[in-house]
Amino acid sequence: QMQLVETGGGLVKPGGSLRLSCVASGFTLSDYYMNWIRQAPGKGLEWVSNMSTSGNNINYADAVKGRFTISRDNAKNSLYLQMNNLKVEDTALYYCARDFYQYNSAENYYYYHGMDVWGRGTTVTVSS
Amino acid sequence: SYELTQPPSVSVSPGQTARITCSGDALPKQYSYWYQHKAGQAPILLIYKDTERASGIPGRFSGSSSGTTVTLTINEVQAEDGADYYCQSADSGDTWVFGGGTKLTVL
Repeated sequence: QMQLVETGGGLVKPGGSLRLSCVASGFTLSDYYMNWIRQAPGKGLEWVSNMSTSGNNINYADAVKGRFTISRDNAKNSLYLQMNNLKVEDTALYYCARDFYQYNSAENYYYYHGMDVWGRGTTVTVSS
Repeated sequence: SYELTQPPSVSVSPGQTARITCSGDALPKQYSYWYQHKAGQAPILLIYKDTERASGIPGRFSGSSSGTTVTLTINEVQAEDGADYYCQSADSGDTWVFGGGTKLTVL
């Protein structure tokens, strides 16, 4: 059974740091593009960051660029989000999610099929 | 930055059809994806590539596309379908954007 479990959330003061973890089971995390998505209280889903299978393609939302760093430990089958210089507006439930790409042999092309496995999230609260 | 626009709320009676729209300038060129999200649970992928149903999703759920608007249709709505629904599409490069979400209320 494929599963993602996020941990590491908590209460932190503005300007502080926090490291989120996402452990995968039932599949090899490094075989997939992986994402972090967040949901602020009363708001919708917001994509935060992603990392390619090779780790060479990493992207961030403008709101977190320069402050957050995504990384992976293949041996631990885990994804991380290092969050520095946290702001009140970073308060949210943080999810990790797997991207699923399906290879089409006739076209020699990988089609994106959405985020097919999600965790249940870990809560980050930034408050003084 | 690129935005996807959804209605904040949609209400429908059990057994009726619910339609949730998502608008974005790039949708004629980029595929859309739909998710169901209930409080305290992980989001669930419903539709990918505008119209394809994800594995295990009931046939009551379908997606369609027309110009700059994509639509999630839920036929014969059941009480359990009450949830938040989000569309997703590509932003620039390998980044993603979600719509603001639509709360479906089953009356």
